[in-house]
Amino acid sequence: NAGVTQTPKFQVLKTGQSMTLQCAQDMNHNSMYWYRQDPGMGLRLIYYSASEGTTDKGEVPNGYNVSRLNKREFSLRLESAAPSQTSVYFCASNRDATNEKLFFGSGTQLSVL
Amino acid sequence: AQSVTQLGSHVSVSEGALVLLRCNYSSSVPPYLFWYVQYPNQGLQLLLKYTTGATLVKGINGFEAEFKKSETSFHLTKPSAHMSDAAEYFCAVSSSGTYKYIFGTGTRLKVLA
Repeated sequence: NAGVTQTPKFQVLKTGQSMTLQCAQDMNHNSMYWYRQDPGMGLRLIYYSASEGTTDKGEVPNGYNVSRLNKREFSLRLESAAPSQTSVYFCASNRDATNEKLFFGSGTQLSVL
Repeated sequence: AQSVTQLGSHVSVSEGALVLLRCNYSSSVPPYLFWYVQYPNQGLQLLLKYTTGATLVKGINGFEAEFKKSETSFHLTKPSAHMSDAAEYFCAVSSSGTYKYIFGTGTRLKVLA
């Protein structure tokens, strides 16, 4: 059982480049999330998708876009990367309620030079 | 608005000693409270969660947490630290009707031999 799978694990970009982080879950979860983790700041929600076909902004959405491609997949796109987007990105999912635990992927370490 | 405060970004304990990681929350509605653990280069894993009912919550790996409404606290404890407990620990809060978890800034636990 793979759980939540994120690709790539590491990425280095130059300022202005674009890229898409991929996330897929095999647990038939309805809700999916993208977080960024920065030292001393915990995890901050970028975007979430409560169910297939819906997406909503989280706490720090600027500079990002998302696509809920289907029930399994939720991608995060950086259209024009900036050094401030250097971070560790985590995808997470849960069944369908706020009191349900989150299942996390292993993260993508992104550096923007 | 909800918030979480974790006191102490770094905590060191000797192997076999009591572990106490502090978490205080703010919520205008009944909260759901969580503790997650993150081992190096991994995603977060659920340790335990409080929804309603018993105020002492037991989790995995010998950890437990006590919900104290009067003190708005949800501190994490373990009677005897093990070297394998070295990790970063995050407290989080959510509530019914929202998909937004609020995470604390994390406490890194170091266990000394």
